[in-house]
Amino acid sequence: EAGVVQSPRYKIIEKKQPVAFWCNPISGHNTLYWYRQNLGQGPELLIRYENEEAVDDSQLPKDRFSAERLKGVDSTLKIQPAELGDSAVYLCASSLWVAGELFFGEGSRLTVL
Amino acid sequence: KNEVEQSPQNLTAQEGEFITINCSYSVGISALHWLQQHPGGGIVSLFMLSSGKKKHGRLIATINIQEKHSSLHITASHPRDSAVYICAVKDGNQFYFGTGTSLTVIP
Repeated sequence: EAGVVQSPRYKIIEKKQPVAFWCNPISGHNTLYWYRQNLGQGPELLIRYENEEAVDDSQLPKDRFSAERLKGVDSTLKIQPAELGDSAVYLCASSLWVAGELFFGEGSRLTVL
Repeated sequence: KNEVEQSPQNLTAQEGEFITINCSYSVGISALHWLQQHPGGGIVSLFMLSSGKKKHGRLIATINIQEKHSSLHITASHPRDSAVYICAVKDGNQFYFGTGTSLTVIP
């Protein structure tokens, strides 16, 4: 069975440009997370979905970040416009239910020049 | 102060050594996860535990709920064990992550 799939793996953009990341969770997993991880740090939650509902987006910088999970399956995270400080690895994770084991994707490494 | 503290931050070991990584937490807990992250790679879940001890191959994870402490042990370490090991504590719906322990195993 495929794990959590993310794309792209790597993205280099200039500041003020938009960028989007895509995540396809493990089939049947209702809970989906987007995390941001800076070098040498643990992941920081950006948003958590239960099916198509964003139940925790308190840490999402809403002025420039947006996310959607329209059909409760795959999800997109967008940054517009990107800033230098957005350079990080963006991780998607899913679990069968909110208390279940967490499965991570390979991450999308963003470099903003 | 971080809700989840790991020690050591960095660890270098000779191949074959027994390794211990520690995790202390201050939040409530429904489950504790040990995660492994290779350079440039994603994160793999090694263990999810809420009590006692779990073993998988050369890896052993223990947790003491009363002391709010967990340990990850690697027996007979190998260079392929080189990675960052992250402790994550689930409190209700929220995960709290440690900053990770960077392990290098030298042949």
